[in-house]
Amino acid sequence: KNQVEQSPQSLIILEGKNCTLQCNYTVSPFSNLRWYKQDTGRGPVSLTIMTFSENTKSNGRYTATLDADTKQSSLHITASQLSDSASYICVVSAQKQAGTALIFGKGTTLSVSS
Amino acid sequence: DAGITQSPRHKVTETGTPVTLRCHQTENHRYMYWYRQDPGHGLRLIHYSYGVKDTDKGEVSDGYSVSRSKTEDFLLTLESATSSQTSVYFCATSHSLNEKLFFGSGTQLSVL
Repeated sequence: KNQVEQSPQSLIILEGKNCTLQCNYTVSPFSNLRWYKQDTGRGPVSLTIMTFSENTKSNGRYTATLDADTKQSSLHITASQLSDSASYICVVSAQKQAGTALIFGKGTTLSVSS
Repeated sequence: DAGITQSPRHKVTETGTPVTLRCHQTENHRYMYWYRQDPGHGLRLIHYSYGVKDTDKGEVSDGYSVSRSKTEDFLLTLESATSSQTSVYFCATSHSLNEKLFFGSGTQLSVL
């Protein structure tokens, strides 16, 4: 069964600190892996998309890594800011005969405190 | 946000009544999707559209129908709302299947 597991479920860090969020998946055949940020009361916003051949991708202070062999991804946030408080969702795209299917993780809730 | 507008933003309705949620986009994206988001679950696909009048079911399509008569509009209808359909509903669009999704701000639906 295609699954996406994220850890930790929630995380509290101090402003200015770094943190890393984890995503493990059992999705086959793999197409791409995406990270989204969802602020409270808003829709998710795309941070990165990585294909099989990409192992690192950055978007400002956000850096995503992908290890397709171990089926793991991480999202590293550098020098956290209060505005980073949000839910971070890992999404894996599986190639299907008639297109693709997106499998969403349940998200990691990050709280950045001053 | 990309040009995706969901309406209404909030709705309270009674069990057994029909409900229609609207998604309007100005991005001219081919693909449009309806998801629901519930505590303890990842976003789950209800229905999606790959062109005008072209739609298909997602993983949680029972009790829902959709229509797309124009590129920019995608409607989600609950024919007879049930309490299990209380959720936050998100519309999303994409240019192609392998490109990122753009989400609307969501509709909070409560079925009493």
